[in-house]
Amino acid sequence: DIRMTQSPSSLSASVGDRVTITCQASQDISNNLNWYQQKLGKAPKLLIYEASNLETGVPSRFSGSGSGTDFTFTISSLQPEDIATYYCQQYDHIPPRITFGQGTRLEIK
Amino acid sequence: EVQLVESGGRQVMPGGSLRLSCAASGFIFGTYSMNWVRQAPGKGLEWAASITSSGTYMNYADSVKGRFAISRDNAENSLYLQMNSLTAEDTAVYYCATGIGYCDAATCPSAWGQGTLVIVSA
Repeated sequence: DIRMTQSPSSLSASVGDRVTITCQASQDISNNLNWYQQKLGKAPKLLIYEASNLETGVPSRFSGSGSGTDFTFTISSLQPEDIATYYCQQYDHIPPRITFGQGTRLEIK
Repeated sequence: EVQLVESGGRQVMPGGSLRLSCAASGFIFGTYSMNWVRQAPGKGLEWAASITSSGTYMNYADSVKGRFAISRDNAENSLYLQMNSLTAEDTAVYYCATGIGYCDAATCPSAWGQGTLVIVSA
């Protein structure tokens, strides 16, 4: 099974800061990597798909990059409404399954 | 507007059974694969099960295989999760999810319900 290692597990930053979260796969997953935002008490929301594609309606301050085993999620200028937990997610086709990273809890200083 | 509404969550005794439902609207349900994803209190997201659009193929996480069964009724626009032999480790919010637009359920689920809480406790 492919294992996803997401870091850091928690992060505190100031409004306007650039924030970066990383996700490492235990083997090459090409660009089969997505990023989600989950606010407290809410369902996850897809932000980035296929490593670097911004989902429709998602603000452009969110971005993703990487391929193979190493991926990065960036918020270019942190806003108060970005307080949430962020998850990376990869998928396999054989057998079909989805795996999430452990999550990164983002707080505002 | 795409809507997924889960129901059926409640407190159940260890060893008991429960059936969750997910009512879908706003899209052609019968053409989309579906997932159940769960989240234990204070923990991360865990994919539990998936089913193809026709209901022909189902896949399960190792943690639920042999105990849970995913099914669907395309005529009723509904997804189900039959959960048997429940343990405390199955306590979680259960979400149904699918992929709309470029994404699909098997790769990047982009539409989620609000979740239903299952508590396994005596």
